[in-house]
Parts: sequence; structure tokens; C-alpha cells
Amino acid sequence: ILNVEQSPQSLHVQEGDSTNFTCSFPSSNFYALHWYRWETAKSPEALFVMTLNGDEKKKGRISATLNTKEGYSYLYIKGSQPEDSATYLCAPTSGTYKYIFGTGTRLKVLA
Amino acid sequence: GAGVSQSPSNKVTEKGKDVELRCDPISGHTALYWYRQSLGQGLEFLIYFQGNSAPDKSGLPSDRFSAERTGGSVSTLTIQRTQQEDSAVYLCASSLDFGSSTDTQYFGPGTRLTVL
Repeated sequence: ILNVEQSPQSLHVQEGDSTNFTCSFPSSNFYALHWYRWETAKSPEALFVMTLNGDEKKKGRISATLNTKEGYSYLYIKGSQPEDSATYLCAPTSGTYKYIFGTGTRLKVLA
Repeated sequence: GAGVSQSPSNKVTEKGKDVELRCDPISGHTALYWYRQSLGQGLEFLIYFQGNSAPDKSGLPSDRFSAERTGGSVSTLTIQRTQQEDSAVYLCASSLDFGSSTDTQYFGPGTRLTVL
């Protein structure tokens, strides 16, 4: 897996809005997908690991879905809060430890 | 318990100097990884340790970069004769197991390296 794309690159939303972003990856040789949240000056924080087509994971107001056949994952945030402001990274893997990170989606939630 | 720690948090150095970056993984984690993020780029894999050995050094950008791990714990990434293009955030991560695609990697806060 060499080409991971995340879109949009950045977005600003108002507090209370719901939002979503996309991680696209080649569907061949897919094994697992990791989502991370990276706040400024902090460590990237693991959100989800997903492996099965149709997987849906949820953590509070954040959820993610996975389509391995077409090679994409969506991350949703419901009722965005200022503390959700961060860069969201996805990293698919192809059966090894080697994560291939996308460049991330930078989210800014305006109060 | 304690997470992954890295030191220093910031390092400013002059071109041509050597620097050492340190990583303390989570206790008991056998696998350790180094990444870097240059401006405008995604996280780039550098090297992976399984215990004290590094079966995959494929990501090291040049022979100026080296890393070691001792006692299955602390790791040091050394950059010799630093260049301006080495400026980046260097992240360390550890995981409980190795070779597993689903094992979560836990990251430290990074070291921001600036080469003047």
C-alpha cells in the first residue's frame, strides 16, 4: 500500500456541526486500517483499528466505517466541539507492522 | 501507566552538527518504531525494532541516520552531520507485539528538530 489519500486537507466547522472526512487507499493487499487523532503538541492518539469490510466503530461522538472493496474509510464526528480540533490521520496496512500514513485532515472547530 | 516519552521535546542545531533523539517506550512493549513528519508531508516510517534488533531499516533516508535500542527498552536515533532537510518532527511509537498489522502503535509526543 503506497498511496493513501485523505480529504479534505483541512476544514473549519462551527461548534455543534457534524462533519466527516475520507481516507482512500488501494484495495489490493489491504489488511487493516488505523485512525489516529493528533492534537497540537500532543502524542497521536489511537482511535480505531478496523479490518473487515463493512466494519463500523464508534467512540463517543466519533465513528468510522470501512469499505475494503472500494478502498475507503469515512470518519464522522457528530456535534463537533472545540476539543475535537486536531489532525486526523489514517494508516492502512498490508499485513505487516508498517503503517503507511496519509497526510491527514486538519480539523478546526470554531466556538 | 506511563506512555511513550521522548526527549528532548525541541532541538535546534546548526547544520553539520550531530544530534541524538531519545525514546522511552511503554514498559513491556517489544516493538519500537521511529517516524518523522516533515513540513507538509505525512508521517514517514524510518526504522523498526523487534527487541534490540532492527530487521527493517529501509526507511532511514541516508547513512547519516542510525538508531539503536538497548535492553529491549530505550532507543536512540542519531543524525550525523545534520542538514536543513532533516528538520522535522521525529516520532517514536511502541507496540506490545511485533509484525502484527492490527496491533496498535502508541506514540510519543515527538521531538521537533530544527536545523539552522
